[in-house]
Amino acid sequence: EAQVTQNPRYLITVTGKKLTVTCSQNMNHEYMSWYRQDPGLGLRQIYYSMNVEVTDKGDVPEGYKVSRKEKRNFPLILESPSPNQTSLYFCASRPLEGGGQPQHFGDGTRLSIL
Amino acid sequence: AQKITQTQPGMFVQEKEAVTLDCTYDTSDQSYGLFWYKQPSSGEMIFLIYQGSYDEQNATEGRYSLNFQKARKSANLVISASQLGDSAMYFCAMRDTSYGKLTFGQGTILTVHP
Repeated sequence: EAQVTQNPRYLITVTGKKLTVTCSQNMNHEYMSWYRQDPGLGLRQIYYSMNVEVTDKGDVPEGYKVSRKEKRNFPLILESPSPNQTSLYFCASRPLEGGGQPQHFGDGTRLSIL
Repeated sequence: AQKITQTQPGMFVQEKEAVTLDCTYDTSDQSYGLFWYKQPSSGEMIFLIYQGSYDEQNATEGRYSLNFQKARKSANLVISASQLGDSAMYFCAMRDTSYGKLTFGQGTILTVHP
């Protein structure tokens, strides 16, 4: 089954404790992206990657890091999480070709930073 | 910069009735894509429908249609014959063609009454 898998689905942690949210897709997509969803703001892009070793900032990259060492994986790293990073996070992927190709989203990761 | 506006925080509709969810956008690009996603209470993002900026006909997918008015920069989602399972958050999104970033609106919560 074609899917984007995020882990963990839920996490409660404390300020300053480094964490990684993993994202993996099995569709051989070149493009991968991370979003955060906050009430009243919709989804905002954090980082994106157009292929292996190619990453770039989205609209709200502060406090986050990413890496793309393999095509299928695109982890999101919070080096020193803070309470304002409490949010619902989505990983998404799509092929680069085909303007009408929708992004496929993971099921989301709900992070609470205390 | 691209911007998507959904002016209806919440909408109510009677089961079996049609409902229109509004979406306006702003972009200086000539080529772009417009998407609608559904987010049920379980949290996942479900792709509904896509409209390309050069598509001359309005997109349709089953009970979903997109009322695309390019001159007005609007891309309203029409759901015909509403069902209880249509109760969800709905997001309008626009993708530019340069980096493929999706810019989301704030979302509209649709409630379908029996």
